[in-house]
Order: sequence, then structure tokens, then C-alpha cells
Amino acid sequence: KQEVTQIPAALSVPEGENLVLNCSFTDSAIYNLQWFRQDPGKGLTSLLLIQSSQREQTSGRLNASLDKSSGRSTLYIAASQPGDSATYLCAVSGYSSASKIIFGSGTRLSIRP
Amino acid sequence: NAGVTQTPKFQVLKTGQSMTLQCAQDMNHNSMYWYRQDPGMGLRLIYYSASEGTTDKGEVPNGYNVSRLNKREFSLRLESAAPSQTSVYFCASSDGQLKRNEQFFGPGTRLTVL
Repeated sequence: KQEVTQIPAALSVPEGENLVLNCSFTDSAIYNLQWFRQDPGKGLTSLLLIQSSQREQTSGRLNASLDKSSGRSTLYIAASQPGDSATYLCAVSGYSSASKIIFGSGTRLSIRP
Repeated sequence: NAGVTQTPKFQVLKTGQSMTLQCAQDMNHNSMYWYRQDPGMGLRLIYYSASEGTTDKGEVPNGYNVSRLNKREFSLRLESAAPSQTSVYFCASSDGQLKRNEQFFGPGTRLTVL
């Protein structure tokens, strides 16, 4: 059974710092991995999606990497801003469970001005 | 292009009452999903529909039923609400696993069962 873990559960850093959020999964047979952002009381916004054949994806100040063999993904945020404060969730989609997606419980990020 | 829409945004029920949560997408996606989100537990899949005319159970299906009315609409029904079903419910859609399968989410329904 696929399990997705995100550590730490919460992170606070000063504005301007580069930071890395971690996601690990137990079954390396994944179809893709997706990173989402969730603001308080809101829905999820897709940030980046990495297909199983890819190693990384970039969008602006965000870079997501995928290492299937070790069951890990990282989300790198460059030059953090207070507007980056939110909860970040990763989710994996597996081949064996058609269309099912398993979420981690998220990392709550706070950027201090 | 509205994306994924959900109604209602908020709902308060008494134990034993029934209700249906509505979801619609205008992206011509094949797959649709219902999740619930509880504090500290991330999102858990309730039911999903890989394509029009099919539905399957997810991780926490007990107490819920679903209907894939057509390609656009996927509803979630609580027949007899219980306080344990107090949660935020999200609907999502994707083009399906044969393609990119990127998920897009609705704004959520906050349900309280008293």
C-alpha cells in the first residue's frame, strides 16, 4: 500500500531564504507526482507535476525533483516571500491503482517578513 | 472556463439528515474524484470515477454514495449524516491515467454535522 510522508509538518523561515520541502513515498512504481499549494480555507492549486520518466520540473522560483529509486521528491523554493506562506502537499499517482492518488499530510510553511 | 465548481460552499446538517454535494467540471476530463480533508490527515479519497459510467471506492467510502451523472458532473451523497462526516469535501478532475493525469480541484464544501 502506497504511503506518502511529508516532513517537517511545519516550517518557519525568514524572507529571502531558499528552502526545500521534502516528500517521500513507499512504492516507487508511480505514474506521476504532483505538488500542490493550499491557502487557509481554500482549495488546492497545482504547482508542478513530474511524470515518472522525468527528473525535475521548474516553474518560476519553484523547482521539483523526483528520485523514484529512493522514493523521494523535493520542492525547492528560491528567494522565499511572505506570499509563499501556505501548506504544500505532494501526491503520487500509481500504476497499480488506476486513477487513485495518495496525498501526504502537507508541510505548513510560514515566511517571516 | 470555470474549471471545477462545487455547491454548496457551506452546509450544516443534523445527525441523520441526508444531502448531496454537487460537482461539475468544464475541462472535458475523463476522471473525477471526491476527497475529504480532516486536520492533520491530509486528503483521503472517498470515491472516484475513472470515466463516464464507472465509479470505484477509494480509501474511506463508508457512509457515502456517488453518481457520475455524465462526463461533466459527479455528485456525492450522504444518506444519513453522522458527526464523523464533519469535514471539508473537495472534488477534483483529471484527464485520466492514459494522459498527463494532472488533478484540478474545486474550492471545497465545508460540512458540519451536529
